[in-house]
Amino acid sequence: EAQVTQNPRYLITVTGKKLTVTCSQNMNHEYMSWYRQDPGLGLRQIYYSMNVEVTDKGDVPEGYKVSRKEKRNFPLILESPSPNQTSLYFCASSQLFFGTETYNEQFFGPGTRLTVL
Amino acid sequence: KNQVEQSPQSLIILEGKNCTLQCNYTVSPFSNLRWYKQDTGRGPVSLTIMTFSENTKSNGRYTATLDADTKQSSLHITASQLSDSASYICVVSASGGSYIPTFGRGTSLIVHP
Repeated sequence: EAQVTQNPRYLITVTGKKLTVTCSQNMNHEYMSWYRQDPGLGLRQIYYSMNVEVTDKGDVPEGYKVSRKEKRNFPLILESPSPNQTSLYFCASSQLFFGTETYNEQFFGPGTRLTVL
Repeated sequence: KNQVEQSPQSLIILEGKNCTLQCNYTVSPFSNLRWYKQDTGRGPVSLTIMTFSENTKSNGRYTATLDADTKQSSLHITASQLSDSASYICVVSASGGSYIPTFGRGTSLIVHP
């Protein structure tokens, strides 16, 4: 089954304790992205990646890191989480037609609800 | 700055009725526009994707329209069902090197029996 998986689904942590949220897709998609969703603000892009070893900042990258060492995985790293990073996080992936700037549909993971105390 | 505005912010309708959601955008140059449905606590799921040359696209009871001249899109839901209760998100992507899609804040639709 084609899907995007995220782990963990729920996480409660304390300020300053490093954490990683994993994201994996089995559709051989080039493009992967992380979003956070907060009430009243909608989805905001944190980082995206157009292929292995190619990553770039989205609208709200501060306090986050990512890596893309393999095509299928795109982990989100919070080196020193703070309470303002309490949010619902989504990973997404899609095909990317290089050169035409045309995107296929983005497939979203189930979400990770993070609480930083 | 690229922006996507959706209206109304929330909408309550009775089961079986039709409704129309609006999306206005300032994203330029335009590449494509998507409508997503997001059930509470779950990831968004794509309903339609439209490019510049497309002005109508249907997916079952969902019909999206696009007017690239006025930079407006609408999502029409026919014969609403209880399962249509969700947030509907309009997402517009630019061409010309920018790969960051711009998300609207969504319209929350509640369908009452």
